[in-house]
Amino acid sequence: NAGVTQTPKFRILKIGQSMTLQCTQDMNHNYMYWYRQDPGMGLKLIYYSVGAGITDKGEVPNGYNVSRSTTEDFPLRLELAAPSQTSVYFCASSYSNYEQYFGPGTRLTVT
Amino acid sequence: AQTVTQSQPEMSVQEAETVTLSCTYDTSENNYYLFWYKQPPSRQMILVIRQEAYKQQNATENRFSVNFQKAAKSFSLKISDSQLGDTAMYFCAFMKPPDNNAGNMLTFGGGTRLMVKP
Repeated sequence: NAGVTQTPKFRILKIGQSMTLQCTQDMNHNYMYWYRQDPGMGLKLIYYSVGAGITDKGEVPNGYNVSRSTTEDFPLRLELAAPSQTSVYFCASSYSNYEQYFGPGTRLTVT
Repeated sequence: AQTVTQSQPEMSVQEAETVTLSCTYDTSENNYYLFWYKQPPSRQMILVIRQEAYKQQNATENRFSVNFQKAAKSFSLKISDSQLGDTAMYFCAFMKPPDNNAGNMLTFGGGTRLMVKP
């Protein structure tokens, strides 16, 4: 049982490039989330999903897109990377016991 | 919308001593959940303790306990017998009751950096 896994761990992008952050969970959780954490700050919700085929915006969705074609996977897409998207990105999942399980994070730098 | 405030950006404590981290929140909800998460240098988010607002009894997990004051909207974390491994960022987080249409989203405070000194 690997829990929540994220790839890559680190990535450097140039302004205007695109990329997909991968997130997979093997706990059969319905709910999945993407957060970003800026330096010295708490986490902010980007997008979330309550099940396959269902996604919705969180607090800071601009510049991102998501999809949820399976229960296990919840990729986050950056279409035109900007310096303001330099951050650490966390994926999380949960079921009905209210506890969210977090992945190890992806550190993204946009220059 | 809910807000969570941690007024102590940094704190330090001597090993084996006790330290209390503060957290206040603002909500119009009556039922909700509060959490403390630990984030060590590895960046992994680790759940430390959870409190249900409908429970008057303060939650306890080994050396970690909370002081939950619902009327004051305060949720502090006490760490007893501090250990070097407790050095980390600590985040207070708020969650409304789960909604089938909205999942169970967390709202985080800005964090408190705790240093345990030998």
